[in-house]
Amino acid sequence: DGGITQSPKYLFRKEGQNVTLSCEQNLNHDAMYWYRQDPGQGLRLIYYSQIVNDFQKGDIAEGYSVSREKKESFPLTVTSAQKNPTAFYLCASSLAPQGSGYEQYFGPGTRLTVT
Amino acid sequence: AQSVAQPEDQVNVAEGNPLTVKCTYSVSGNPYLFWYVQYPNRGLQFLLKYITGDNLVKGSYGFEAEFNKSQTSFHLKKPSALVSDSALYFCAVRDRSSNTGKLIFGQGTTLQVKP
Repeated sequence: DGGITQSPKYLFRKEGQNVTLSCEQNLNHDAMYWYRQDPGQGLRLIYYSQIVNDFQKGDIAEGYSVSREKKESFPLTVTSAQKNPTAFYLCASSLAPQGSGYEQYFGPGTRLTVT
Repeated sequence: AQSVAQPEDQVNVAEGNPLTVKCTYSVSGNPYLFWYVQYPNRGLQFLLKYITGDNLVKGSYGFEAEFNKSQTSFHLKKPSALVSDSALYFCAVRDRSSNTGKLIFGQGTTLQVKP
């Protein structure tokens, strides 16, 4: 899982509560990404950030928010507006993404269960 | 629309036999191509990538993949499977013209290697 840490590994929340997932990297990567994984659907991009203090929506951003105040950190908040938040969340990072063949490195993931 | 297809949900192979996990893509131009592996409740691990040059790419743990431009395929192969290769495999592509670094993932193929 390289130099990317995600915490906690398992997270349980009641419906209607916001929850923040942590992602930290020590790889000195500029770009960071959040993906959601559901069984049989591969990975879907939630948000990404190419530089500090800047981020863009991915394919399924509704109900999620992020911040990028430091190069090393890219926390994801799952809000009460997310209709089906139970999933496995993966954070990734890479060197400069523009037009590059750099691979993404993934963290170990956080499994969120909302009841 | 850009997409990646992994036509087999599961591939079963006996230990010691060769294995192939299939991937085809629909992306404009010449994309960057990647294979990742995921063990249960873990993040994704990078296996190999195609950027340019030789169509046969060698990667980690004895895996290789062959890029076929005319068939828009990037099949993952290994000459002799190990039980420890049993995992979930993802093919991913990135449009070279993209400035986001966004990866498009297939839905994943479960590889089961039996002793």
